[in-house]
This record gives sequence, C-alpha cells and structure tokens, in this order.
Amino acid sequence: GPKVLQIPSHQIIDMGQMVTLNCDPVSNHLYFYWYKQILGQQMEFLVNFYNGKVMEKSKLFKDQFSVERPDGSYFTLKIQPTALEDSAVYFCASSFDRTSAETLYFGSGTRLTVL
Amino acid sequence: GQQVQQSPASLVLQEGENAELQCNFSSTATQLQWFYQSPGGSLVSLLSNPSGTKHTGRLTSTTVTKERRSSLHISSSQTTDSGTYLCAIVSNTGNYKYVFGAGTRLKVIA
Repeated sequence: GPKVLQIPSHQIIDMGQMVTLNCDPVSNHLYFYWYKQILGQQMEFLVNFYNGKVMEKSKLFKDQFSVERPDGSYFTLKIQPTALEDSAVYFCASSFDRTSAETLYFGSGTRLTVL
Repeated sequence: GQQVQQSPASLVLQEGENAELQCNFSSTATQLQWFYQSPGGSLVSLLSNPSGTKHTGRLTSTTVTKERRSSLHISSSQTTDSGTYLCAIVSNTGNYKYVFGAGTRLKVIA
C-alpha cells in the first residue's frame, strides 16, 4: 500500500542544536501532518499543512518549530533550538484530501533524543 | 476540546480468545480510524470506519455515530496481535486533524 517514509529513523543531538526531520509523503497526497509521541504517552497533534501553508497548529507547536515543503520535496519539521522536552517520536502523516472517506497514512516515526 | 476515551486501558488474553476494544468520543466524528502501534512504535492503519460496520480479516469495527462510540473486535487473537490499539477521530468542527485516544495495550499470551 501507500507508504510515508521518514528520515532518519533515529536522531541524537545536543540541546540547543537545530534538527530537521524529513518526511517523504505518499506521492499524490496534498495534506501533511506532524504528530509527537513522548515514550509511553498519547499521540499528540502538532501541525497540519496544505498548499504551502500551515492550516492549524497546536500549543505543542512552539515558536522554535517550523514546517515547510519546498517545491514538492520533503515535508520537513525543523526545531531550532532544541530543548530537552523535545525528545519524543515524531510521526509524519499524509492524506489525499479531507473527505470522510480518506485514510491517513503514517510514517514509521523519527525518534529524537535531545541530550 | 474534543476527547477520545479508549477502554480498557490494557488487556491480557490467551491465544485464541476474542478481544473487544471500545472508543468513545465527545464530539461528532466525520472520520474515525483504528490504528495498530507495534511494540517497536510503528503505526499501521487497520480500519477506516466513520459509521456502520466494517470487516477486514479477523477485525470487525462497529461505529454508532449518533452515540459517539466505536468498537474493534479481534477474533481468535494471536500472539502477534500484541501491541497498542489506537482510536483516532476527525471532528466536525475546526480544521481537519485526527485526535487520538490513549490506546488499549493488548497482550496475547500463548
């Protein structure tokens, strides 16, 4: 079936550094999402993105976070600077549209560890 | 805000037993999906079922939209079914985003 690819699968960085998480969504999909899951906790919505714009972001989407998808390439989540509480697994998801019949496809996640 | 509650929080079964997982939500859902999250963390969509009953393999989901609830039935459980089952909805208010429940942790023992 359709696949969302996330690169890298693991990332370890020092607090204060910048990190970019990459997502290769399903090829014809138009809507993109990032979710955050701290180990053992609930999956939390961060942001959704369509037509080059953020549609909605949660309070977890701090000012240090940004997303973009330049020229149909990777959909990226950038955190600058990182903080200890950013350690989590970040999941990217995509869908073709927003109808009730549409399925959301998730990547396998990027485990981010901030030291 | 919208809430998604799942029950039970955890469940232990003997292989071959059936499982019934529940999902209740506080606002009308225009979309509902059940996901499986493996012990390693990867997420797989099992069923998309905003209303009615759907079957796939050993899984049956029944969603009663008016009553804001959905169930996932797993028949003849296997040890490989062990993991966390997540219910997620899109509500009919605001932008299109999935909100997840906390999940049901299922352990199937041989």
